[in-house]
Amino acid sequence: NAGVTQTPKFRILKIGQSMTLQCAQDMNHNYMYWYRQDPGMGLKLIYYSVGAGITDKGEVPNGYNVSRSTTEDFPLRLELAAPSQTSVYFCASTSAATNEKLLFGSGTQLSVL
Amino acid sequence: QQPVQSPQAVILREGEDAVINCSSSKALYSVHWYRQKHGEAPVFLMILLKGGEQKGHDKISASFNEKKQQSSLYLTASQLSYSGTYFCGTGASSGSARQLTFGSGTQLTVLP
Repeated sequence: NAGVTQTPKFRILKIGQSMTLQCAQDMNHNYMYWYRQDPGMGLKLIYYSVGAGITDKGEVPNGYNVSRSTTEDFPLRLELAAPSQTSVYFCASTSAATNEKLLFGSGTQLSVL
Repeated sequence: QQPVQSPQAVILREGEDAVINCSSSKALYSVHWYRQKHGEAPVFLMILLKGGEQKGHDKISASFNEKKQQSSLYLTASQLSYSGTYFCGTGASSGSARQLTFGSGTQLTVLP
């Protein structure tokens, strides 16, 4: 099915560990985004990409890195995990034609203990 | 700067109406509305662009007053399926999806 696929759905990390959250879309969308959502709060933009090879920081980029080697994939890397990174992470994409209507993945719930 | 949504929470009976407001201190180009059910991803409802247009589908509509930098979401004759948290996302320029700033949400509960 067409859409945005995120893996894993759940993960528990220890402080200082690293991991990569995977995001893939099969709609040939140019724009891709990573958001985090803390409990009871709205979405905050971590990083975004307007196309393969192009990424830029959002509102809360510290402690994260991204890459965009293909149009389909946009992985988010957490280095040296900290408790403050406990959150739900959503990947989203949209098309260059309209640059609207964000389509979200199902999310990754991450706990850092 | 994050837009301010009001109210933070609202409880309705099935069939009642509700209004959710979104206000920004910055000039806006667009306002996006999303609904998120518990444990799920946000789902797009509608986008309103600069020009004060009003949009709607089914019994959910929205308005955008660019001079007041405000948008309102109207839910008419609410249904149980309307329950969830509603977020507005504001964009300051065209190509706004890359610059969306989301409010903290309005939790809507519809009771039978």
